[in-house]
Amino acid sequence: AQKVTQAQTEISVVEKEDVTLDCVYETRDTTYYLFWYKQPPSGELVFLIRRNSFDEQNEISGRYSWNFQKSTSSFNFTITASQVVDSAVYFCALSYQGAQKLVFGQGTRLTINP
Amino acid sequence: NAGVTQTPKFQVLKTGQSMTLQCAQDMNHEYMSWYRQDPGMGLRLIHYSVGAGITDQGEVPNGYNVSRSTTEDFPLRLLSAAPSQTSVYFCASRTGSSYNEQFFGPGTRLTVL
Repeated sequence: AQKVTQAQTEISVVEKEDVTLDCVYETRDTTYYLFWYKQPPSGELVFLIRRNSFDEQNEISGRYSWNFQKSTSSFNFTITASQVVDSAVYFCALSYQGAQKLVFGQGTRLTINP
Repeated sequence: NAGVTQTPKFQVLKTGQSMTLQCAQDMNHEYMSWYRQDPGMGLRLIHYSVGAGITDQGEVPNGYNVSRSTTEDFPLRLLSAAPSQTSVYFCASRTGSSYNEQFFGPGTRLTVL
């Protein structure tokens, strides 16, 4: 069975701090896909990134970076120099080849204080 | 493109009432789905459809019905609302492979009294 665990329920930091959101997944599939979504206070879900199981290359997009490590079944998300606008709930999700659903983690509520 | 739209945005029902949550997408996506979001539980799949005329159950289908008569529309029906169905409901769509991102609607916040 597939499972995603986001052990950090809530994180609160001061603006400009770096923060890492953890995501650990479980799957028996060899071909799978990992996603991060952001849910700002307005409530919509915004796609941030996807990664397939054959691509362990880390990704950087501005202040955001993602570290995918198959050895530890983790797909962690780091925000550098956090800003108040980064305050949101962040979800990590897992899918696999032929899947009909995304398996979501419980989400991490990130609060950036000015 | 409007993307994925949902109506209504908010709804309050009494126990036992029925209603339909509307979902539409204008991206010609084959795959559409409904999730519910509850505190501390992430999003869970209710029903999904891989194309017009084809629907199937997800993780938490009890108490909900769906149909897919067109590519664009995927309504979710609550047959007899219960307080346990108080939640935020999201409709999503994607094209092709499960590798592709899902596009989510703005959500419907439903309260059942």
